[in-house]
Amino acid sequence: AQSVTQLDSHVSVSEGTPVLLRCNYSSSYSPSLFWYVQHPNKGLQLLLKYTSAATLVKGINGFEAEFKKSETSFHLTKPSAHMSDAAEYFCVVSVGGATNKLIFGTGTLLAVQP
Amino acid sequence: GAVVSQHPSRVICKSGTSVKIECRSLDFQATTMFWYRQFPKQSLMLMATSNEGSKATYEQGVEKDKFLINHASLTLSTLTVTSAHPEDSSFYICSAVSGHTDTQYFGPGTRLTVL
Repeated sequence: AQSVTQLDSHVSVSEGTPVLLRCNYSSSYSPSLFWYVQHPNKGLQLLLKYTSAATLVKGINGFEAEFKKSETSFHLTKPSAHMSDAAEYFCVVSVGGATNKLIFGTGTLLAVQP
Repeated sequence: GAVVSQHPSRVICKSGTSVKIECRSLDFQATTMFWYRQFPKQSLMLMATSNEGSKATYEQGVEKDKFLINHASLTLSTLTVTSAHPEDSSFYICSAVSGHTDTQYFGPGTRLTVL
């Protein structure tokens, strides 16, 4: 079975400082991993995805994530937080790619302080 | 980019009535759409997989007779909550799969409140 664990339910950073949102996965097969962001009253937006190509994945808005098989991790990072990054972030796993069932983590609420 | 819409965005209904939620892929065709449910401050839980022209596949624990799904065209899937009760109040989100980009695109969600 596939699952993801987001280690922090809330993360607070100051504007301009680095962001680290942690995610560990469990999968019996080679997983596809995603990070989605959900702003209030808006639909989920795909930030980036890993599908067995390069282990360092670059996404939109300056975010990136590194797939580490030995650590079963897929942490999301950004060098410098912006106020507009404040939102809920979901780590997601799928077997078979994005066109198959997605299993969502519990989410991390990112707060950005001025 | 690919856009998925949902209608209505919010609905309030009385207990015992039925509510239909529409999910549309606006600029692409989607043979597969998914329906999720999100409780306050919780994650998304997959309810069912909707395939155009065939019966939906429901996740364990989801009542297929209560949550009727119809995927009549490549751009439209509907979720009908039948005989709604207050415990059905939730945020319902759909997604549509674009075969061109191998990506699920999510709708903005529908907030259902059952009184």
